[in-house]
Amino acid sequence: DAGVTQSPTHLIKTRGQQVTLRCSPKSGHDTVSWYQQALGQGPQFIFQYYEEEERQRGNFPDRFSGHQFPNYSSELNVNALLLGDSALYLCASSLRNEQYFGPGTRLTVT
Amino acid sequence: AQSVTQPDIHITVSEGASLELRCNYSYGATPYLFWYVQSPGQGLQLLLKYFSGDTLVQGIKGFEAEFKRSQSSFNLRKPSVHWSDAAEYFCAVAPGYDYKLSFGAGTTVTVRA
Repeated sequence: DAGVTQSPTHLIKTRGQQVTLRCSPKSGHDTVSWYQQALGQGPQFIFQYYEEEERQRGNFPDRFSGHQFPNYSSELNVNALLLGDSALYLCASSLRNEQYFGPGTRLTVT
Repeated sequence: AQSVTQPDIHITVSEGASLELRCNYSYGATPYLFWYVQSPGQGLQLLLKYFSGDTLVQGIKGFEAEFKRSQSSFNLRKPSVHWSDAAEYFCAVAPGYDYKLSFGAGTTVTVRA
């Protein structure tokens, strides 16, 4: 049974650019959450998608947006990248139970 | 608002010794509580969870945690650590399953031979 997968593994972008990160949930899971983990800190909740709608949102600016597809996979988009967006981006999936995390995408903004 | 405090930033323990990681939470109602472990460069793995019932919960890899409502704590313990337990440990709280997790800042565990 495949767990949560994320792509790409690593990414380097320049300030002002846009980036798209992808997540495939664990088989059978229909809810996807995204978290940002800055170096040396705990993960911070960005938003959650369920039935292709954003259901909850954390304290992140509108530059952060997402999408969920009918097969429950999800994308995280970040526009106008800032140096402070450099972090590990974690995707988690769930089905009315605990959240299972993927390995993350390491984004570096230069 | 929910929040989590992990008072210990870094703990060093000898292999074979016991380990206890502290976690204090702030939440108005009965929380769902979790401990996750993160190895370097890896995602988060769930060690154990609590939302009701027996206040002493068993998890994977020989870990256990005790929920103490009066102290708003959910401390993680392991009787005898192995070198492979060296990692970052995060305590998290949520209003329920499928709700946003609020994490503590984490505790780094170093295991010395």
